Amino acid sequence: SAVISQKPSRDICQRGTSLTIQCQVDSQVTMMFWYRQQPGQSLTLIATANQGSEATYESGFVIDKFPISRPNLTFSTLTVSNMSPEDSSIYLCSVAGGEGTDTQYFGPGTRLTVL
Amino acid sequence: SQQGEEDPQALSIQEGENATMNCSYKTSINNLQWYRQNSGRGLVHLILIRSNEREKHSGRLRVTLDTSKKSSSLLITASRAADTASYFCATLANTGFQKLVFGTGTRLLVSP
Repeated sequence: SAVISQKPSRDICQRGTSLTIQCQVDSQVTMMFWYRQQPGQSLTLIATANQGSEATYESGFVIDKFPISRPNLTFSTLTVSNMSPEDSSIYLCSVAGGEGTDTQYFGPGTRLTVL
Repeated sequence: SQQGEEDPQALSIQEGENATMNCSYKTSINNLQWYRQNSGRGLVHLILIRSNEREKHSGRLRVTLDTSKKSSSLLITASRAADTASYFCATLANTGFQKLVFGTGTRLLVSP
């Protein structure tokens, strides 16, 4: 199984600012995923990030608002840009469980509050 | 919305009792998975059942899948206080892309 860490674990930010969330994996993985979990809600996929290519965004999410970097096979960042209180959520990264498995391993999440 | 529905939204039981959660989904699937989330933290994978399977067991967990009804259930037997968490079903479609679609979740509270 993969061990995933995220930084920061939580943050409180002001409206109009941006926050970059880091996701580090202890092994090389092809696919990484970024999810948003709004308060009391389920997880919604923001985008899939493959190393060496542009991230693929889901409907309702755009690159200008949620730019993603994937510089290598163990690291990715998600930036939440020009934040508003509606962006207050838990942001989670995950990785595919490996060849032959369809499961995903999740990071501990970043709890973001926007004032 | 493609998101699945889970019921109940919340379930409160005593230690030792069984807990049953149900999940319904909307599209054809390759498999269905159950995850647990403790206190808004990361998710932990519990069990996966493929579309050609009807029942699967793992320890105190029992999962059933009815593809004709597009529904699944998760049974936790002899529950413990440590089982207190939110439980989510997630489906993987037959699209070739590893994109999970999560259900709305069930909040389980197990009281000592």
